Amino acid sequence: KAGVTQTPRYLIKTRGQQVTLSCSPISGHRSVSWYQQTPGQGLQFLFEYFSETQRNKGNFPGRFSGRQFSNSRSEMNVSTLELGDSALYLCASSQGDYSGNTIYFGEGSWLTVV
Amino acid sequence: ELKVEQNPLFLSMQEGKNYTIYCNYSTTSDRLYWYRQDPGKSLESLFVLLSNGAVKQEGRLMASLDTKARLSTLHITAAVHDLSATYFCAVNYGGSQGNLIFGKGTKLSVKP
Repeated sequence: KAGVTQTPRYLIKTRGQQVTLSCSPISGHRSVSWYQQTPGQGLQFLFEYFSETQRNKGNFPGRFSGRQFSNSRSEMNVSTLELGDSALYLCASSQGDYSGNTIYFGEGSWLTVV
Repeated sequence: ELKVEQNPLFLSMQEGKNYTIYCNYSTTSDRLYWYRQDPGKSLESLFVLLSNGAVKQEGRLMASLDTKARLSTLHITAAVHDLSATYFCAVNYGGSQGNLIFGKGTKLSVKP
């Protein structure tokens, strides 16, 4: 059974640019969540998508957005990048309706903003 | 607002010793999760605790949940170097499975 796949794994961007990260959840999972991990703030919830609808959103500015496609794959976008956006972005996959218990995480996308 | 607090944040242990990591959360939640993270790696699921009094064990790790006290513990028995990692607890928030609030993590170092 394939795990959660995130692309790209590593990327370097310049301030002011935008970036799109992709996540393919485990087959059959309808919920995809995104998290930002930094040394200072730890793991913070960005948003969750379930069946193509945003179900919850964390406390991040509007520069952070996402979407989910009909095949449950998800993308997140960060516009007008700032140095503070440098982080590990993790995607989490679950069934989303509590029918399954475990939430699985991908390997993450390491974003460096210079 | 849900808050999740772990302690200690740093833990240096000798091999063969026992210790407990504590996870307190501030409001009612459906379930509690424990994850392990190795440096530069993603999160590995260890346990999902679903109800009051739940206890799960895997190898040298045992997790328990007391929903009345809003407290979970991760007990390490006879620590070995391979357990060195950062351990996170997390709880569901906002009524949806995919919304997790994490503690700051406990960085465990097991020394020979």
